[in-house]
Amino acid sequence: GQSLEQPSEVTAVEGAIVQINCTYQTSGFYGLSWYQQHDGGAPTFLSYNGLDGLEETGRFSSFLSRSDSYGYLLLQELQMKDSASYFCAVYGVNSGTYKYIFGTGTRLKVLA
Amino acid sequence: DTGVSQNPRHKITKRGQNVTFRCDPISEHNRLYWYRQTLGQGPEFLTYFQNEAQLEKSRLLSDRFSAERPKGSFSTLEIQRTEQGDSAMYLCASSWGTGGGETQYFGPGTRLLVL
Repeated sequence: GQSLEQPSEVTAVEGAIVQINCTYQTSGFYGLSWYQQHDGGAPTFLSYNGLDGLEETGRFSSFLSRSDSYGYLLLQELQMKDSASYFCAVYGVNSGTYKYIFGTGTRLKVLA
Repeated sequence: DTGVSQNPRHKITKRGQNVTFRCDPISEHNRLYWYRQTLGQGPEFLTYFQNEAQLEKSRLLSDRFSAERPKGSFSTLEIQRTEQGDSAMYLCASSWGTGGGETQYFGPGTRLLVL
């Protein structure tokens, strides 16, 4: 089967650095994506890792280790507006069909 | 690029009624996805189209759910004989891709409440 695990909640202060981990189990793995969702809003794309290593986009970085079935999202210089839920998502194959599987999300609270 | 749009944004219905939602993807995108999301959970995959072909439908989806994308552009999701358990946010996303792992762009969602 396919599954993803990420922490349910993380709290940090403004200006700090926070890492949100994601471990996954899937067959036919293509890559790991990260999405941000504010309360009442739609998920928005943050980053994608198709290969091992670190991808950096401004204050956000994402890492993937395919051998460990593990990835993380790193948020630097936290701002209040970063308070949101963060989802990892894998694109994989199960029983010959392809689909995206999202984790249950990590709720990030940024404190002043 | 006007983004992905969904209509209606909110729908309240009585149990047993049928509802239909519409999704207009980004115009050049060939893939369209439907998801369901409940409070505190991640988006749950429902079904996926590449152009007008429905390539995958979740086994979690009962026969009461049906989706179409007749001309490879907009899509509709119909729920027949709604149940209270169908109450959720229904999200549509579109992307351009031929393999896997492409960026999905989500619409604002349709929030369904079944009384």
